[in-house]
Amino acid sequence: EAGVTQFPSHSVIEKGQTVTLRCDPISGHDNLYWYRRVMGKEIKFLLHFVKESKQDESGMPNNRFLAERTGGTYSTLKVQPAELEDSGVYFCASSQGLNYGYTFGSGTRLTVV
Amino acid sequence: KNEVEQSPQNLTAQEGEFITINCSYSVGISALHWLQQHPGGGIVSLFMLSSGKKKHGRLIATINIQEKHSSLHITASHPRDSAVYICAVRLHAGNQFYFGTGTSLTVIP
Repeated sequence: EAGVTQFPSHSVIEKGQTVTLRCDPISGHDNLYWYRRVMGKEIKFLLHFVKESKQDESGMPNNRFLAERTGGTYSTLKVQPAELEDSGVYFCASSQGLNYGYTFGSGTRLTVV
Repeated sequence: KNEVEQSPQNLTAQEGEFITINCSYSVGISALHWLQQHPGGGIVSLFMLSSGKKKHGRLIATINIQEKHSSLHITASHPRDSAVYICAVRLHAGNQFYFGTGTSLTVIP
C-alpha cells in the first residue's frame, strides 16, 4: 500500500511569490489533514477534509492560504502571496476515520526568502 | 501555553541505555499518538493509545488517563533510534490533533 505522498519535498521561493503544495492520501482515506511546523514551535493543525468537504479549517492562519480537495482525492495547499513567516514544514496526514491510525506524509519544507 | 507538554526536550544516551520520554496533557482526550521524525524525513506513527500499554519491538508506550500522562520507553537503545519523538493528542471534541514540541533523542554508539 502506498503511503501518503507529498510534493515537492522542498521549495524555496521569494517573498510575494505563490507556492502550491500537494498531498496524495492513502487510497480510500476520506479524512485528510494539513499541519505545519514553523521553526522552533510545535506542529499546528491547519485544516481537515472529509472527502472533498472542509470539515474544520479553524487552523488556517489567514486568507493567503487556500486548500482544496477536488473530487475527494488529492489535496492542494496554495500560499499566495508567500510571506517570510510562512516558512516551515507542511505535513499532510490521512485516515480512514477517528478510530483508525493516521499516516503522515514526509512533509514539504517551505522556505520563503 | 501548549495543551501538550513533553520532557525532556533534548536527550542524549549511550547505546544500550533504557530511555523514557514523557508527555503530559491538560485536556480530555480520545486518543494519544506517539510519532517519530527522522532528520530530513517525514513522520511515522509509532503508537495510537487510548488506554493501557502497547509494545512494538523495543518500543513501549503507556498512558494513564486519570493522570493525563503518557510515556514512551525505548529498551536497548541504538543509534538508529536517534530522531525527534512527538506526542500528539486528539481531543474528545473535534478531529484535530494537538502536538507537543517533540523530544530530540541522540543515541551515541
